[in-house]
Amino acid sequence: DARVTQTPRHKVTEMGQEVTMRCQPILGHNTVFWYRQTMMQGLELLAYFRNRAPLDDSGMPKDRFSAEMPDATLATLKIQPSEPRDSAVYFCASGWGGFASPLHFGNGTRLTVT
Amino acid sequence: KQEVTQIPAALSVPEGENLVLNCSFTDSAIYNLQWFRQDPGKGLTSLLLIQSSQREQTSGRLNASLDKSSGRSTLYIAASQPGDSATYLCAVLTQGGSEKLVFGKGTKLTVNP
Repeated sequence: DARVTQTPRHKVTEMGQEVTMRCQPILGHNTVFWYRQTMMQGLELLAYFRNRAPLDDSGMPKDRFSAEMPDATLATLKIQPSEPRDSAVYFCASGWGGFASPLHFGNGTRLTVT
Repeated sequence: KQEVTQIPAALSVPEGENLVLNCSFTDSAIYNLQWFRQDPGKGLTSLLLIQSSQREQTSGRLNASLDKSSGRSTLYIAASQPGDSATYLCAVLTQGGSEKLVFGKGTKLTVNP
């Protein structure tokens, strides 16, 4: 059963530290999305890749966040330096053909910044 | 700016009851609307996707309807079971400019045995 894999599942770090979250999309999917979920804001789109090229990262604070796809099997989301307000669950999702087809979500990385 | 609202935020029902979850959106210029399920500590699972030209979609005990002109969708769950307990989110894919899937904050459903 193909699934999106995210690591780590949980991360606790101190303010100012670098955080790297990884995502392995489903083999054959050509679109990858990073979402952040908080109680207050719900799900927010941070970045969106198609065929490994970034299409939209307007939801991401550019001064501290960066998203990349070094190859088709790996997507990364980095925060440097991290801040307490970054505490949230970060989800990766993959799909075929963009938003119009059903997205497959990973189980998320729960980030706590103290 | 598209806004998606789900009411109620939480719902508790006895097992066997039929129930309806509501979703409303402010901009009717959409490509599609999707319903997702989220279990605690898990990601989202896509349940149903309704294209803007469609009125409803069915999968098993689930039926989703779409009224684009009024900006509303409902998810009907027949004969609810404790295993249906989860948070249900709707999301709309907006037209124009850059495509974005905008999510509501969800309805947390508890089905009591």
